[in-house]
Amino acid sequence: EIVLTQSPGTLSLSPGERATLSCRASRSLSSDNVAWYQQKRGQAPRLLIYGASSRATGIPDRFSGSGSGTDFVLTINRLESEDIAEYYCQQYAGLPLTFGGGTKVEIK
Amino acid sequence: EVQLVESGGGWLQPGGSLRVSCAASGFTFSNSAMSWVRQASGKGLEWVSIISGNGAATEYADSVKGRFTISRDNSRNTLYLQMNGLKAEDTAIYFCAKGVGADCSNGCSSRIMDVWGKGTTVTVSS
Repeated sequence: EIVLTQSPGTLSLSPGERATLSCRASRSLSSDNVAWYQQKRGQAPRLLIYGASSRATGIPDRFSGSGSGTDFVLTINRLESEDIAEYYCQQYAGLPLTFGGGTKVEIK
Repeated sequence: EVQLVESGGGWLQPGGSLRVSCAASGFTFSNSAMSWVRQASGKGLEWVSIISGNGAATEYADSVKGRFTISRDNSRNTLYLQMNGLKAEDTAIYFCAKGVGADCSNGCSSRIMDVWGKGTTVTVSS
């Protein structure tokens, strides 16, 4: 099983700042098979990024993904209050599909 | 509009059985793999199972293998999860999610979950 470790657990930033969320895989992921999801309180998750760096339909360009191998990053530029949420990475390189433990983004 | 609506959740005792459903609309159902993902209260996301677009291929998390069965009826645009031998640790919100592709014949875009339902709650308790 591929274990994904997300850091930090919680990120507290001011509006307009940049958020950098990390996701580390227990082994190298070929083809950069990593997705990122946003889950707001009481809602279903929403796909943000797939293929490590491709934005899903309708996702603002403030959200970007990068990385390869074992280390992946989700960056949120110009943080807005509506970005308050839990963010999860997911790998789909192998089964079982696995998610990271999540990073909670808070606004100061 | 692409939409997924789960139903069938409820409360039941350990050892019981339950079938939850997911009604799909707004897309060609058979062109998409479908997954079940669950989330215990205050916890993270846990993948449960996936089924290919034509229903021929299924996979399960070890935690549910042998107890849960995923299936789909493409004529009714509906996904199912039959849960038997339920345990307290199965208590969660169960989300269905649409895969980008139908299977792994051309990369595994089927494992990217681009649309999610709002979930149905399953509670297992004595």
